[in-house]
Amino acid sequence: DPKIIQKPKYLVAVTGSEKILICEQYLGHNAMYWYRQSAKKPLEFMFSYSYQKLMDNQTASSRFQPQSSKKNHLDLQITALKPDDSATYFCASSQRGSNTEVFFGKGTRLTVV
Amino acid sequence: GQQVQQSPSSLVLQEGENAELQCNFSSTATQLQWFYQSPGGSLVSLLSNPSGTKHTGRLTSTTVTKERRSSLHISSSQTTDSGTYLCAIDRWYGGSGNKLIFGTGTLLSVKP
Repeated sequence: DPKIIQKPKYLVAVTGSEKILICEQYLGHNAMYWYRQSAKKPLEFMFSYSYQKLMDNQTASSRFQPQSSKKNHLDLQITALKPDDSATYFCASSQRGSNTEVFFGKGTRLTVV
Repeated sequence: GQQVQQSPSSLVLQEGENAELQCNFSSTATQLQWFYQSPGGSLVSLLSNPSGTKHTGRLTSTTVTKERRSSLHISSSQTTDSGTYLCAIDRWYGGSGNKLIFGTGTLLSVKP
């Protein structure tokens, strides 16, 4: 059974629309993250949350807003979608600390047309 | 510049051959992880190895922290090993979440 659940697996959106990517983790971790993988670019860190509080934000655009309703949930709301937002978005989790191991969900592949 | 560099960028092997993948990083790291990304895109953590040598199955990772490098050795490769191998480092200073910095990966293709 997957311990980090991302929904949906695939998503097609129209330019200018808004979408929410869902993530839940059942590993008992106290930190959750979003990463993005665009074509021909390395996986890049976007946000980290711990106990529903933002710890780090490396995303320049305010169009990307994480939302945490429970400590094991971290959704990603993206507004005013652009074609450049097309990417696979990965949710991840870990126990915060040195030497910790980070685990990833299977990703949501977003295509903006 | 790129903080995590991986080599080679791609590698083709015959089934049964061994592979040696390299990862060099430009800053100190508190953690180093090797990941496998399948052709379908999902990410699996293979090894967590901030220093020393670790084994799991046919995989051996050696990290020399002072020299800022790590290697992943795959023995007796199989066609199912085909995919992209990613190296990632973390520099955790406390008071923050963990933040992995990824390399661009090594694309491995194992032929039958």
